[in-house]
Amino acid sequence: AQSVTQLDSHVSVSEGTPVLLRCNYSSSYSPSLFWYVQHPNKGLQLLLKYTSAATLVKGINGFEAEFKKSETSFHLTKPSAHMSDAAEYFCVGGGILDSNYQLIWGAGTKLIIKP
Amino acid sequence: NAGVTQTPKFQVLKTGQSMTLQCAQDMNHEYMSWYRQDPGMGLRLIHYSVGAGITDQGEVPNGYNVSRSTTEDFPLRLLSAAPSQTSVYFCASSYSIGTGNTGELFFGEGSRLTVL
Repeated sequence: AQSVTQLDSHVSVSEGTPVLLRCNYSSSYSPSLFWYVQHPNKGLQLLLKYTSAATLVKGINGFEAEFKKSETSFHLTKPSAHMSDAAEYFCVGGGILDSNYQLIWGAGTKLIIKP
Repeated sequence: NAGVTQTPKFQVLKTGQSMTLQCAQDMNHEYMSWYRQDPGMGLRLIHYSVGAGITDQGEVPNGYNVSRSTTEDFPLRLLSAAPSQTSVYFCASSYSIGTGNTGELFFGEGSRLTVL
């Protein structure tokens, strides 16, 4: 079965330090993979998308993610955290559920930025 | 651009009442969907549609109905509200969802529903 697992429910970093949000996926084929961000009381916005054109994907607001097929991972990183990055982040993969292609959502990681 | 518009933003219902959450998009997207978001559970798909006249069930369809009479609109109906349906509901649309051709999902700002 296809699945997307976000390994941390909460991540806390200090402003100006690196951010790492971890995501593992399982898929029987090369997946479509996304990261979405949700700021408090807002809808969700696409951060970046893996399309198989390049394993390192750059997104908005300085975020990037690397697709590693051997590790079945798609971790999200940012070199230097900003207070405005405080939000919940969702890793999403495309896969087959009940014989239909669907988007499979991770449970989310809440990123907390300490001043 | 309006994008995806959801109404109402907030609603309080009593158990057993019915209501409709409205969703409209102006991007000519074929794919539309409804999700519910509960703490610690991420987003769960309720129903989706791949075009006008076509709907299908997602992960948690019980207690909800949908229809898609036009490309633009995708209302979600709660038939007889229950406290378990207290949640935040998001409508999302995309130009395509499919193997090798999955586009960005555009989300509305959400509808917060409380069932007493």
